[in-house]
Amino acid sequence: ETGVTQSPTHLIKTRGQQVTLRCSSQSGHNTVSWYQQALGQGPQFIFQYYREEENGRGNFPPRFSGLQFPNYSSELNVNALELDDSALYLCASSLDRVDLAFFGPGTRLTVL
Amino acid sequence: GESVGLHLPTLSVQEGDNSIINCAYSNSASDYFIWYKQESGKGPQFIIDIRSNMDKRQGQRVTVLLNKTVKHLSLQIAATQPGDSAVYFCAERSGNTGKLIFGQGTTLQVKP
Repeated sequence: ETGVTQSPTHLIKTRGQQVTLRCSSQSGHNTVSWYQQALGQGPQFIFQYYREEENGRGNFPPRFSGLQFPNYSSELNVNALELDDSALYLCASSLDRVDLAFFGPGTRLTVL
Repeated sequence: GESVGLHLPTLSVQEGDNSIINCAYSNSASDYFIWYKQESGKGPQFIIDIRSNMDKRQGQRVTVLLNKTVKHLSLQIAATQPGDSAVYFCAERSGNTGKLIFGQGTTLQVKP
């Protein structure tokens, strides 16, 4: 059984650009959640995908969007990047919507 | 707004001593609480969880206590080891989306 994986590990972008982050959920898990973790802070919920549909969204603007594929892997897209988007982006998968979430190692995004 | 807070940003203990990390939560309707450990450069790792119908739960070297009257959660680590050095987050689950609300974290430093 493989755990949650994320790619890329690190990414550097400039303001105004767009970025796509990827996540492969743990085997057998149909739910993926994305979190943003600023330096020195706890993770903040962005949104959750369950069986390819968005199932809950945090306080993030529409330029943060996502997608879940039939194999339950997921993408996080951020448009019009801002300096404050610099953070560790964490993906977590769970067996179902309210089951225990297992986190991946994260993608470190730096916006210059 | 929603928040889960930890009382101390840093806790320093001697190797072999017991550690207690505290957390205050604000949503009395939360029904599920989790402690995560996050080492530098890694994603949060599950330690132990507890549901709101319980007061105490024990794992290997760890115990979580829940006091719903004062909305307080604590993590006790017995015989703290250098490998326990990390940032510890408490999180509460909100609603049926599986959304987790994290606090800012407590850094545990274990002195040899």
